[in-house]
Amino acid sequence: DAMVIQNPRYQVTQFGKPVTLSCSQTLNHNVMYWYQQKSSQAPKLLFHYYDKDFNNEADTPDNFQSRRPNTSFCFLDIRSPGLGDAAMYLCATSRDWGDQPQHFGDGTRLSIL
Amino acid sequence: GESVGLHLPTLSVQEGDNSIINCAYSNSASDYFIWYKQESGKGPQFIIDIRSNMDKRQGQRVTVLLNKTVKHLSLQIAATQPGDSAVYFCAEIQGGTSYGKLTFGQGTILTVHP
Repeated sequence: DAMVIQNPRYQVTQFGKPVTLSCSQTLNHNVMYWYQQKSSQAPKLLFHYYDKDFNNEADTPDNFQSRRPNTSFCFLDIRSPGLGDAAMYLCATSRDWGDQPQHFGDGTRLSIL
Repeated sequence: GESVGLHLPTLSVQEGDNSIINCAYSNSASDYFIWYKQESGKGPQFIIDIRSNMDKRQGQRVTVLLNKTVKHLSLQIAATQPGDSAVYFCAEIQGGTSYGKLTFGQGTILTVHP
Protein backbone atom coordinates (compact mmCIF):
# COMPACT_ATOMS: atom_id res chain seq x y z
CA ASP A 1 0.00 0.00 0.00
CA ALA A 2 1.45 3.31 -1.08
CA MET A 3 2.07 5.58 1.90
CA VAL A 4 3.55 8.56 0.07
CA ILE A 5 1.59 9.24 -3.10
CA GLN A 6 2.64 11.64 -5.80
CA ASN A 7 0.46 12.90 -8.60
CA PRO A 8 0.76 13.00 -11.45
CA ARG A 9 3.52 10.49 -12.21
CA TYR A 10 4.37 12.35 -15.41
CA GLN A 11 3.83 16.02 -16.06
CA VAL A 12 4.54 17.98 -19.23
CA THR A 13 4.44 21.75 -19.19
CA GLN A 14 5.51 24.58 -21.43
CA PHE A 15 8.49 26.80 -20.84
CA GLY A 16 7.40 29.53 -18.42
CA LYS A 17 3.97 28.02 -17.65
CA PRO A 18 3.36 27.51 -13.92
CA VAL A 19 3.00 23.94 -12.77
CA THR A 20 1.99 22.32 -9.48
CA LEU A 21 3.00 18.87 -8.28
CA SER A 22 1.21 17.20 -5.41
CA CYS A 23 2.10 14.80 -2.65
CA SER A 24 -0.05 13.12 -0.03
CA GLN A 25 0.85 10.84 2.85
CA THR A 26 -1.05 8.36 5.00
CA LEU A 27 1.69 8.06 7.63
CA ASN A 28 0.67 11.13 9.65
CA HIS A 29 4.32 12.20 9.66
CA ASN A 30 5.30 15.63 10.88
CA VAL A 31 7.91 16.35 8.23
CA MET A 32 7.46 16.48 4.47
CA TYR A 33 10.28 17.09 1.99
CA TRP A 34 10.67 17.92 -1.68
CA TYR A 35 13.72 16.74 -3.60
CA GLN A 36 14.84 17.31 -7.16
CA GLN A 37 16.62 14.45 -8.92
CA LYS A 38 18.25 14.85 -12.31
CA SER A 39 19.38 11.98 -14.48
CA SER A 40 22.22 9.90 -12.99
CA GLN A 41 22.39 12.12 -9.92
CA ALA A 42 21.39 11.78 -6.30
CA PRO A 43 18.28 13.53 -4.99
CA LYS A 44 18.86 17.13 -3.90
CA LEU A 45 16.80 18.66 -1.12
CA LEU A 46 14.80 21.74 -2.13
CA PHE A 47 12.89 22.42 1.11
CA HIS A 48 10.95 20.79 3.89
CA TYR A 49 8.03 21.46 6.19
CA TYR A 50 8.15 20.59 9.86
CA ASP A 51 4.42 20.68 10.58
CA LYS A 52 3.53 24.14 9.24
CA ASP A 53 7.02 25.58 9.46
CA PHE A 54 8.64 26.00 6.05
CA ASN A 55 12.41 25.56 5.70
CA ASN A 56 14.06 26.48 2.44
CA GLU A 57 17.51 25.29 1.38
CA ALA A 58 19.86 28.18 0.72
CA ASP A 59 20.48 27.22 -2.91
CA THR A 60 16.87 26.51 -3.89
CA PRO A 61 15.86 28.95 -6.67
CA ASP A 62 13.07 31.44 -5.93
CA ASN A 63 11.16 29.88 -8.81
CA PHE A 64 10.30 26.97 -6.49
CA GLN A 65 7.63 27.39 -3.84
CA SER A 66 5.75 25.01 -1.61
CA ARG A 67 2.48 24.81 0.29
CA ARG A 68 1.33 22.48 3.01
CA PRO A 69 -2.37 23.11 3.70
CA ASN A 70 -2.65 20.22 6.17
CA THR A 71 -0.68 17.30 7.58
CA SER A 72 -1.46 14.99 4.68
CA PHE A 73 -0.80 17.16 1.65
CA CYS A 74 2.13 19.13 0.31
CA PHE A 75 2.48 20.91 -3.04
CA LEU A 76 5.45 21.99 -5.11
CA ASP A 77 4.82 25.05 -7.28
CA ILE A 78 7.23 25.99 -10.06
CA ARG A 79 6.30 29.51 -11.06
CA SER A 80 8.12 29.81 -14.39
CA PRO A 81 9.68 26.50 -15.37
CA GLY A 82 12.84 26.64 -17.41
CA LEU A 83 14.43 23.86 -19.42
CA GLY A 84 16.84 23.22 -16.57
CA ASP A 85 13.94 22.34 -14.27
CA ALA A 86 13.19 19.14 -16.15
CA ALA A 87 13.78 16.43 -13.58
CA MET A 88 12.20 13.88 -11.28
CA TYR A 89 10.62 15.52 -8.23
CA LEU A 90 10.45 13.35 -5.15
CA CYS A 91 8.35 13.85 -2.05
CA ALA A 92 9.39 12.24 1.22
CA THR A 93 8.16 12.15 4.79
CA SER A 94 9.60 11.37 8.19
CA ARG A 95 7.98 11.10 11.59
CA ASP A 96 10.26 13.77 12.99
CA TRP A 97 13.33 15.79 12.08
CA GLY A 98 16.74 14.29 12.72
CA ASP A 99 17.82 10.68 12.96
CA GLN A 100 14.75 9.28 11.23
CA PRO A 101 14.32 7.30 8.02
CA GLN A 102 12.67 9.20 5.21
CA HIS A 103 9.99 7.47 3.16
CA PHE A 104 9.79 8.45 -0.50
CA GLY A 105 7.05 8.52 -3.06
CA ASP A 106 7.66 7.33 -6.61
CA GLY A 107 8.12 10.84 -7.91
CA THR A 108 6.74 13.02 -10.66
CA ARG A 109 8.81 13.24 -13.82
CA LEU A 110 8.53 16.77 -15.17
CA SER A 111 9.23 17.56 -18.81
CA ILE A 112 9.46 21.09 -20.19
CA LEU A 113 8.56 21.82 -23.81
CA GLY B 1 28.30 16.11 -0.04
CA GLU B 2 25.92 15.92 -2.95
CA SER B 3 26.44 13.94 -6.09
CA VAL B 4 27.26 15.98 -9.14
CA GLY B 5 28.74 13.40 -11.47
CA LEU B 6 27.04 12.03 -14.57
CA HIS B 7 28.75 8.65 -14.46
CA LEU B 8 27.76 6.48 -11.53
CA PRO B 9 30.02 3.65 -10.42
CA THR B 10 28.76 0.28 -11.62
CA LEU B 11 28.87 -3.21 -10.21
CA SER B 12 27.98 -6.26 -12.28
CA VAL B 13 27.48 -9.64 -10.62
CA GLN B 14 26.09 -13.04 -11.48
CA GLU B 15 22.87 -14.21 -9.90
CA GLY B 16 23.64 -15.99 -6.65
CA ASP B 17 26.88 -14.13 -5.98
CA ASN B 18 27.31 -11.82 -3.01
CA SER B 19 27.50 -8.09 -3.75
CA ILE B 20 29.36 -5.41 -1.84
CA ILE B 21 28.62 -1.75 -2.45
CA ASN B 22 30.87 0.82 -0.83
CA CYS B 23 30.33 4.40 0.18
CA ALA B 24 32.46 7.14 1.69
CA TYR B 25 30.65 9.83 3.65
CA SER B 26 31.79 13.32 4.43
CA ASN B 27 30.58 14.50 7.81
CA SER B 28 32.34 13.04 10.83
CA ALA B 29 29.53 14.44 13.01
CA SER B 30 26.87 12.32 11.29
CA ASP B 31 25.33 9.65 13.51
CA TYR B 32 22.74 7.94 11.35
CA PHE B 33 23.10 6.29 7.97
CA ILE B 34 20.66 4.75 5.53
CA TRP B 35 20.92 2.64 2.41
CA TYR B 36 18.30 3.20 -0.27
CA LYS B 37 17.51 1.18 -3.40
CA GLN B 38 16.13 3.05 -6.39
CA GLU B 39 14.67 1.16 -9.32
CA SER B 40 14.12 2.84 -12.65
CA GLY B 41 11.16 5.22 -12.56
CA LYS B 42 10.61 4.82 -8.83
CA GLY B 43 11.52 6.65 -5.67
CA PRO B 44 14.27 5.58 -3.28
CA GLN B 45 13.22 2.61 -1.15
CA PHE B 46 14.55 2.20 2.39
CA ILE B 47 16.68 -0.94 2.76
CA ILE B 48 18.47 -0.73 6.08
CA ASP B 49 19.85 1.82 8.50
CA ILE B 50 22.57 1.96 11.13
CA ARG B 51 23.44 4.31 13.95
CA SER B 52 26.95 5.34 14.84
CA ASN B 53 27.04 3.32 18.05
CA MET B 54 27.01 0.16 15.93
CA ASP B 55 29.49 -1.16 13.39
CA LYS B 56 27.30 -3.83 11.84
CA ARG B 57 23.62 -4.44 11.32
CA GLN B 58 21.90 -7.28 9.51
CA GLY B 59 18.61 -7.50 7.72
CA GLN B 60 17.10 -9.99 5.36
CA ARG B 61 19.91 -10.84 2.90
CA VAL B 62 21.54 -7.47 3.59
CA THR B 63 24.25 -6.36 5.99
CA VAL B 64 25.49 -2.84 6.56
CA LEU B 65 28.97 -2.20 7.94
CA LEU B 66 30.06 1.14 9.36
CA ASN B 67 33.65 2.25 9.93
CA LYS B 68 33.57 5.68 11.52
CA THR B 69 37.34 5.89 11.72
CA VAL B 70 37.66 6.11 7.96
CA LYS B 71 34.10 7.37 7.31
CA HIS B 72 33.18 4.33 5.26
CA LEU B 73 29.90 2.49 4.85
CA SER B 74 29.22 -0.71 2.93
CA LEU B 75 26.18 -2.71 1.94
CA GLN B 76 26.48 -6.44 1.47
CA ILE B 77 23.76 -8.30 -0.40
CA ALA B 78 23.80 -12.07 -0.08
CA ALA B 79 22.75 -14.36 -2.93
CA THR B 80 22.06 -11.45 -5.26
CA GLN B 81 18.99 -11.81 -7.45
CA PRO B 82 17.99 -10.11 -10.73
CA GLY B 83 15.38 -8.16 -8.77
CA ASP B 84 18.21 -6.53 -6.84
CA SER B 85 19.29 -4.66 -9.99
CA ALA B 86 18.93 -0.96 -9.20
CA VAL B 87 20.85 2.13 -8.15
CA TYR B 88 21.93 2.01 -4.51
CA PHE B 89 22.48 5.19 -2.54
CA CYS B 90 24.03 5.57 0.84
CA ALA B 91 22.75 8.55 2.77
CA GLU B 92 23.69 10.26 6.00
CA ILE B 93 21.67 12.37 8.33
CA GLN B 94 23.98 15.30 8.81
CA GLY B 95 25.30 16.16 12.21
CA GLY B 96 26.74 19.39 13.43
CA THR B 97 25.51 22.69 11.98
CA SER B 98 23.43 20.95 9.30
CA TYR B 99 21.85 18.56 11.79
CA GLY B 100 18.96 16.59 10.41
CA LYS B 101 19.51 17.09 6.69
CA LEU B 102 19.62 13.88 4.63
CA THR B 103 22.52 13.94 2.19
CA PHE B 104 22.94 11.26 -0.45
CA GLY B 105 26.14 9.74 -1.76
CA GLN B 106 26.60 9.51 -5.51
CA GLY B 107 25.00 6.10 -6.01
CA THR B 108 26.14 2.79 -7.47
CA ILE B 109 24.42 0.95 -10.31
CA LEU B 110 24.08 -2.76 -9.52
CA THR B 111 23.37 -5.08 -12.43
CA VAL B 112 22.63 -8.73 -11.74
CA HIS B 113 23.00 -11.14 -14.65
CA PRO B 114 20.89 -14.33 -14.64
